[in-house]
Amino acid sequence: DGGITQSPKYLFRKEGQNVTLSCEQNLNHDAMYWYRQDPGQGLRLIYYSQIVNDFQKGDIAEGYSVSREKKESFPLTVTSAQKNPTAFYLCASSINGGPNEQFFGPGTRLTVL
Amino acid sequence: GEDVEQSLFLSVREGDSSVINCTYTDSSSTYLYWYKQEPGAGLQLLTYIFSNMDMKQDQRLTVLLNKKDKHLSLRIADTQTGDSAIYFCAEGGNMLTFGGGTRLMVKP
Repeated sequence: DGGITQSPKYLFRKEGQNVTLSCEQNLNHDAMYWYRQDPGQGLRLIYYSQIVNDFQKGDIAEGYSVSREKKESFPLTVTSAQKNPTAFYLCASSINGGPNEQFFGPGTRLTVL
Repeated sequence: GEDVEQSLFLSVREGDSSVINCTYTDSSSTYLYWYKQEPGAGLQLLTYIFSNMDMKQDQRLTVLLNKKDKHLSLRIADTQTGDSAIYFCAEGGNMLTFGGGTRLMVKP
């Protein structure tokens, strides 16, 4: 089945540690996105990539890094520089052109202890 | 910059119609979208409307677009308890701007 997966579902991290969240899609989508969702709030864009080996900062990129070495994969690293990393992280993908129908993964809930 | 606003909360009785409203500021958006999020899950695209349309109907869902007032609404007919979720409107092209979400509670 085609889809977008994120792992792990829940992640705990100690302060000062970097952690990498996985996002994989087999939809053959060109574009991929990372969002952060805080309780009771909407989604804020962290990074996006419209093509392999290229990515752009979103509204809240500070303290995060990404890579896009393969079309199927867009991992997000939450670095120790991110002051408030505890949140729900959502990955999405879409085709380029036409309506931007973004397909979302199930999310990763990151908690910093 | 773009801004998308939604009311926070809506409560309806099972079988009634629900109307979720959204206002946006970017008049250049080609498409506007409605997403549904169930607890602890990702977002699911419900429907979208092209900006040159006034209305789109898809089974129990009706989307109305008032481009002059930059107002978008989602009507859910015969609302069921399974419709309880957070609903997000979004607008944009290559990047989407999401509203803060409206939590719909359906009472039996």
